[in-house]
Amino acid sequence: RKEVEQDPGPFNVPEGATVAFNCTYSNSASQSFFWYRQDCRKEPKLLMSVYSSGNEDGRFTAQLNRASQYISLLIRDSKLSDSATYLCVVNRGADGLTFGKGTHLIIQP
Amino acid sequence: DGGITQSPKYLFRKEGQNVTLSCEQNLNHDAMYWYRQDPGQGLRLIYYSQIVNDFQKGDIAEGYSVSREKKESFPLTVTSAQKNPTAFYLCASSRAGSRNSPLHFGNGTRLTVT
Repeated sequence: RKEVEQDPGPFNVPEGATVAFNCTYSNSASQSFFWYRQDCRKEPKLLMSVYSSGNEDGRFTAQLNRASQYISLLIRDSKLSDSATYLCVVNRGADGLTFGKGTHLIIQP
Repeated sequence: DGGITQSPKYLFRKEGQNVTLSCEQNLNHDAMYWYRQDPGQGLRLIYYSQIVNDFQKGDIAEGYSVSREKKESFPLTVTSAQKNPTAFYLCASSRAGSRNSPLHFGNGTRLTVT
């Protein structure tokens, strides 16, 4: 099993819809989790950290399920500007973070 | 404003030449990292450094070298030994010692070797 796995998509979603995608991780000792957003040919940017109790930032909600070893990202009322690749990231200790390959999201007008 | 700067944005080299990518940060972060990204692939860790004058190999260190003589700077040299050097190179930094500390990325260097 790969360290961090994501459905590559693309997810084609109409503007205004709600979309959710998951990410699974293999190391049960992983302590911290993040979602990053990456636009085409740009660097990744932190979208949000993922906390055990779940957390919300505006239209974005992140959840962590330790028992099943997955994290999720839900986007409500999607905007055209949400089109990007969303990277699931898991902290593996002192040597940094492990990145998933990303889920490509396309919001259609 | 604090940030992390990579230069140049685009770099072209002939096969067989070494090339050095610059990374400078003024965030006062202890930890710095180099990642490589290929099309359709996730980021892969090349080297990382937790403190000045110390660094460790990541998952794909072969053909690369780094130095960390100053806290602010972590240059990456792509040597002629790297078999497939054409890629998007990303430098990042974070606060060391915090497991919940996210990475801050530079805007990347796109290297093309022909």
